[in-house]
Amino acid sequence: NAGVMQNPRHLVRRRGQEARLRCSPMKGHSHVYWYRQLPEEGLKFMVYLQKENIIDESGMPKERFSAEFPKEGPSILRIQQVVRGDSAAYFCASSPTTGINSGANVLTFGAGSRLTVL
Amino acid sequence: GESVGLHLPTLSVQEGDNSIINCAYSNSASDYFIWYKQESGKGPQFIIDIRSNMDKRQGQRVTVLLNKTVKHLSLQIAATQPGDSAVYFCAENIQDSNYQLIWGAGTKLIIKP
Repeated sequence: NAGVMQNPRHLVRRRGQEARLRCSPMKGHSHVYWYRQLPEEGLKFMVYLQKENIIDESGMPKERFSAEFPKEGPSILRIQQVVRGDSAAYFCASSPTTGINSGANVLTFGAGSRLTVL
Repeated sequence: GESVGLHLPTLSVQEGDNSIINCAYSNSASDYFIWYKQESGKGPQFIIDIRSNMDKRQGQRVTVLLNKTVKHLSLQIAATQPGDSAVYFCAENIQDSNYQLIWGAGTKLIIKP
């Protein structure tokens, strides 16, 4: 069981370029979540997706950020025209179920993708 | 605004001693709390959770205490080991969700040999 796989682990982009971060959920997990973590801060929720559907994007910035989870392949978090403030660690988590009664322990996190914008 | 915060950013303890990491929360409506461990370069790892209808919950070497009167949460780690070195986050749920959580800033636990 490979766990939640994220790539690239480290990504460097210049201002104005695009960043694409990929997340392959654990086998059998159909729910994917993206979070952003600034240095020495906790995680902030961005978006929750199921296959081909965005369920909750209340944490996503309105511009330049988008996410998808296609029928085949990994989930992708896309940041267009990156700015220095986008530098952060982006974590993906997956779960087999969701809902408060499932508890937070059903979420498994990947190791994160660290984006640096020069 | 509502927030979850931690009293100490860094905690150093002797190997073998018990560790206590504290967390204050301000949203009195929160009914679910979680502790996470994050080792350097890794994603967060669930440790233990507790619902507001409880004041104590024990796991393997860890105990979470919840004091709703003063809105305080603590994580106790018994017989601290080198592998416990990490940043520890408390988080509280918002809405009826297990993925939308308000995270504190974290406490770095350092184990002295």
